[in-house]
Amino acid sequence: GAVVSQHPSWVICKSGTSVKIECRSLDFQATTMFWYRQFPKQSLMLMATSNEGSKATYEQGVEKDKFLINHASLTLSTLTVTSAHPEDSSFYICSAGTSGGQDTQYFGPGTRLTVL
Amino acid sequence: EDQVTQSPEALRLQEGESSSLNCSYTVSGLRGLFWYRQDPGKGPEFLFTLYSAGEEKEKERLKATLTKKESFLHITAPKPEDSATYLCAVQAPTDSWGKFQFGAGTQVVVTP
Repeated sequence: GAVVSQHPSWVICKSGTSVKIECRSLDFQATTMFWYRQFPKQSLMLMATSNEGSKATYEQGVEKDKFLINHASLTLSTLTVTSAHPEDSSFYICSAGTSGGQDTQYFGPGTRLTVL
Repeated sequence: EDQVTQSPEALRLQEGESSSLNCSYTVSGLRGLFWYRQDPGKGPEFLFTLYSAGEEKEKERLKATLTKKESFLHITAPKPEDSATYLCAVQAPTDSWGKFQFGAGTQVVVTP
């Protein structure tokens, strides 16, 4: 159980285009989903927390207009990187957690974004 | 400020050579401490959750323990397939959304 999928697994795009990444919890309902960014040989950096039906909460320094998050249902959250630039190239990973309390986060396989 | 520190940064082991990884934290009133394994180019894979000092959990060659200030991940008689980066994360009680704070990870390489 506790499977989280991400799509696509990798994407290459031109500078200035927008890219959408989907995150789905396949066998459980995730009240909260998290989006992380990871640079090579570094740990995960939390970008934002999203809860179904409400606006995402962004971490300090993360541009909410650049990284649009939509948590449309209890099993789906999307991250859209708008007007992507080469510096946005990174490994993006989502995780899904159950409701508050002693909850574990289950991670997706990640999406490698390369902006040319 | 809450902090999570993992040591060592990297560990090279011979197959069968047991060792331990450390995760120290300064969160007040820990809500949970989590261990993950991450292979290159993949998302973290959940291993263990520990909630209170004295708690221990085991899975195959891995055993996680928790004290009030740190956690250890013991790898017993490791095999090459145990090579990965091991991440620990803590969850503070003040965060209603259950946010994690991750350590930088320990990269483990097990050679035959």
